[in-house]
Amino acid sequence: DGGITQSPKYLFRKEGQNVTLSCEQNLNHDAMYWYRQDPGQGLRLIYYSQIVNDFQKGDIAEGYSVSREKKESFPLTVTSAQKNPTAFYLCASSLSTPKETQYFGPGTRLLVL
Amino acid sequence: DQQVKQNSPSLSVQEGRISILNCDYTNSMFDYFLWYKKYPAEGPTFLISISSIKDKNEDGRFTVFLNKSAKHLSLHIVPSQPGDSAVYFCAASYTGANSKLTFGKGITLSVRP
Repeated sequence: DGGITQSPKYLFRKEGQNVTLSCEQNLNHDAMYWYRQDPGQGLRLIYYSQIVNDFQKGDIAEGYSVSREKKESFPLTVTSAQKNPTAFYLCASSLSTPKETQYFGPGTRLLVL
Repeated sequence: DQQVKQNSPSLSVQEGRISILNCDYTNSMFDYFLWYKKYPAEGPTFLISISSIKDKNEDGRFTVFLNKSAKHLSLHIVPSQPGDSAVYFCAASYTGANSKLTFGKGITLSVRP
């Protein structure tokens, strides 16, 4: 059963702490994405990757970092430099390019303590 | 500059009636349009898409209409069901280098029993 998994569903971060959100897909998609959703803001692109070992900044990359060591995995690290990290984070994938239909994971809610 | 606009933040309809969700765009290069449905605390689910060579695409209860001259698309849901209550996002992209999906801010649909 193909799909995108994100873990954990809820994550708590202390001030000054880095946290990493996991995203795995078994759809054999080349491209993967991270979005952030805030109330009334829609979906804003953080980072995306079209191929292993390569990734591009999206519209709101500051305070975040990513890696793409495997085709199936695209973890997102929320660093202490991100001053307002509380949000709903969504991972997505598409066959090869960002202009195609993207398929989303269930999301991770990050809360700052 | 918001290139995809969903100007009505919410819509309420009676069960069994038609729901019409509207979306406007400003970038005339957009040639691929999608609608996503999102429940609270879940990832968006792809609903239906349309390319600019067509003006209508239908899938069961869902129909998307595209008016290129007006830069407007709409999603019709007939008949509306309580399970359709969710946030609906419109998205668009174009054929070309560096194109990515651009999302609107979403419309909250409530279907009253």
